Amino acid sequence: GAVVSQHPSWVICKSGTSVKIECRSLDFQATTMFWYRQFPKQSLMLMATSNEGSKATYEQGVEKDKFLINHASLTLSTLTVTSAHPEDSSFYICSARGPGSLGLENTIYFGEGSWLTVV
Amino acid sequence: GQNIDQPTEMTATEGAIVQINCTYQTSGFNGLFWYQQHAGEAPTFLSYNVLDGLEEKGRFSSFLSRSKGYSYLLLKELQMKDSASYLCAVSDSNYQLIWGAGTKLIIKP
Repeated sequence: GAVVSQHPSWVICKSGTSVKIECRSLDFQATTMFWYRQFPKQSLMLMATSNEGSKATYEQGVEKDKFLINHASLTLSTLTVTSAHPEDSSFYICSARGPGSLGLENTIYFGEGSWLTVV
Repeated sequence: GQNIDQPTEMTATEGAIVQINCTYQTSGFNGLFWYQQHAGEAPTFLSYNVLDGLEEKGRFSSFLSRSKGYSYLLLKELQMKDSASYLCAVSDSNYQLIWGAGTKLIIKP
């Protein structure tokens, strides 16, 4: 079945540095991927929709220059948190819409999530 | 505006049945999802309803009434491992997922 893999699972970085999180669809092509952020005890918050070959669509209030999203291929989207600060510490989750060729376009597959701690 | 409402927290006993309700108001409707999320982990897919009625999958069932903007997730024969947050999400007219805040389910022995 369709699987989405996210890497790294855990990352600690120093304040002011940048960190990249990768999201891969392992056995299907994902034209659309989504990036979410979840603070402890809160719901998922959509940050942006990543479309292969075009610019990401950011949700209101999300700084596109701080959270750089690149969807260069049909199986890979990356989120780069630039100039990270402690308040960016959170759980970041990616997801991908399932393959339409299998009738799974309405199924959303999630990556395992990445815990970011900025110290 | 778009809105998903579900209870913040529920408590149930091991072996019992619990129903988690979700009401929604969205611009368009392309299906309703239920996800389970254990603390510190990504959500896992439970069910998808796009037509009215009940979908049964093992111990879990999900019901949808589009005219009422209402869904519920029914969990039977509760097990301790069912302690988790349960998220209701609606796909709107643009196929964007609108998320509820989640219901934390606490199972007691």
